[in-house]
Amino acid sequence: DTEVTQTPKHLVMGMTNKKSLKCEQHMGHRAMYWYKQKAKKPPELMFVYSYEKLSINESVPSRFSPECPNSSLLNLHLHALQPEDSALYLCASSRRDVGNQPQHFGDGTRLSIL
Amino acid sequence: QQQVKQSPQSLIVQKGGISIINCAYENTAFDYFPWYQQFPGKGPALLIAIRPDVSEKKEGRFTISFNKSAKQFSLHIMDSQPGDSATYFCAARGTGKLIFGQGTTLQVKP
Repeated sequence: DTEVTQTPKHLVMGMTNKKSLKCEQHMGHRAMYWYKQKAKKPPELMFVYSYEKLSINESVPSRFSPECPNSSLLNLHLHALQPEDSALYLCASSRRDVGNQPQHFGDGTRLSIL
Repeated sequence: QQQVKQSPQSLIVQKGGISIINCAYENTAFDYFPWYQQFPGKGPALLIAIRPDVSEKKEGRFTISFNKSAKQFSLHIMDSQPGDSATYFCAARGTGKLIFGQGTTLQVKP
């Protein structure tokens, strides 16, 4: 069991749907991350939140909209996705976004776009 | 500059053998080098990590060797077990984010 919890585990949506991915941690971490991982590839960073403020956006298309309502919760709102957006979406957290702080990953949401 | 190159892409080792995965980087500003293990259907799990001022770190059967002058680091898995069969990613931290290697799929044969 991981200490970063992601829901749902699986999501199938059409290209016109709106859905949200949720990530929760109760380790007191103040940095949270969204990654996208394609099969047999490494995780690719999408967004970084530090103290509930967006600090890094890796030029992600606007159809992905992150939100950090509080220090324990991170959401990723999805709208008008494309088939190539099908992937495993991973959330991670660390104590801070600086220094030698290990990132702890959740088990991800497997997203399929029809 | 921001790349981390990992090799081999895949590795087959007999049970009890030593598994060795290598990574190389260019950016001397990287300040933290973790290794992650990922099983199918799971997220990456931190295995072991090292700072550039340390040449070796050992945790159980897992050892990181770090060569700062060559800008290379490697993971050694001693007494490899079938349960170690997974994908391994090296990474390097710089400017607030982790840069991952391309991954190595390890298969340990019984």
